[in-house]
Amino acid sequence: NAGVTQTPKFQVLKTGQSMTLQCAQDMNHEYMSWYRQDPGMGLRLIHYSVGAGITDQGEVPNGYNVSRSTTEDFPLRLLSAAPSQTSVYFCASSLGLAGVSNEQFFGPGTRLTVL
Amino acid sequence: KQEVTQIPAALSVPEGENLVLNCSFTDSAIYNLQWFRQDPGKGLTSLLLIQSSQREQTSGRLNASLDKSSGRSTLYIAASQPGDSATYLCAVLGNQAGTALIFGKGTTLSVSS
Repeated sequence: NAGVTQTPKFQVLKTGQSMTLQCAQDMNHEYMSWYRQDPGMGLRLIHYSVGAGITDQGEVPNGYNVSRSTTEDFPLRLLSAAPSQTSVYFCASSLGLAGVSNEQFFGPGTRLTVL
Repeated sequence: KQEVTQIPAALSVPEGENLVLNCSFTDSAIYNLQWFRQDPGKGLTSLLLIQSSQREQTSGRLNASLDKSSGRSTLYIAASQPGDSATYLCAVLGNQAGTALIFGKGTTLSVSS
C-alpha cells in the first residue's frame, strides 16, 4: 500500500491564482480530511468527508472547496489564492471513526507559498 | 470547545535521560488520543494510539498513558537519543469539529550527545 499520497510536494502561487491539491489513499478508508499547519497555530481542520459524496466544513474552511467523488480521492481546491493561505497542508484518512478503525494516517504534506 | 495543551513547549536534555512530555485536554468525551512525531520540514509520523477505553500503550522506548477523567496524557521516552530530537504532537479525536483530530501545538525536544 502507498498509504496517503499528496501532490504536489511544493507549490508557489501568485495572489488570485487557483489550484488543486491532490490527496489519494489506497486503504479503502471512508474518512478523509484536510488540515493546514501554521507556525504557532498548530494543525487546524479545513474540510472533511465521511464517505464518497459527503463533505463538510472544519474550523477554517473559507477560501477552500472540496469534493469526494470516489472513496480514494479527496482534492482540495483553492479558488483565489491569498497570502494568508501560505501554509503546509496535510491530508489524513482513517477507516472509520469508531473503535480500532479510527487511527488517522497522514500524507507527507504540500508546502504552499502564495506571493 | 475542545482544547489541547502541551507542556513544555520546548525541552532540552542530555543523551540517556528519561523524559516525560505532557498533554492535557479540556473535554473528556474523546474516542482516542494519538501521539505523533514531526521532524523539521517533514510530515507526521504516528507513534502511539490510545483508545478511550485503554490506559496506556507501549512501543519500544515509548510509553503513552491516558487518564481520560482528568484530561491528561503523558508520553514517556526512555533512554533518550539524539535521534529522538523532533517535535512531538498530541491530538485527540472527539465529537467536535467534524470528529477530527484536535492538535496541541507540540513539544520540541532536543537531545544532545
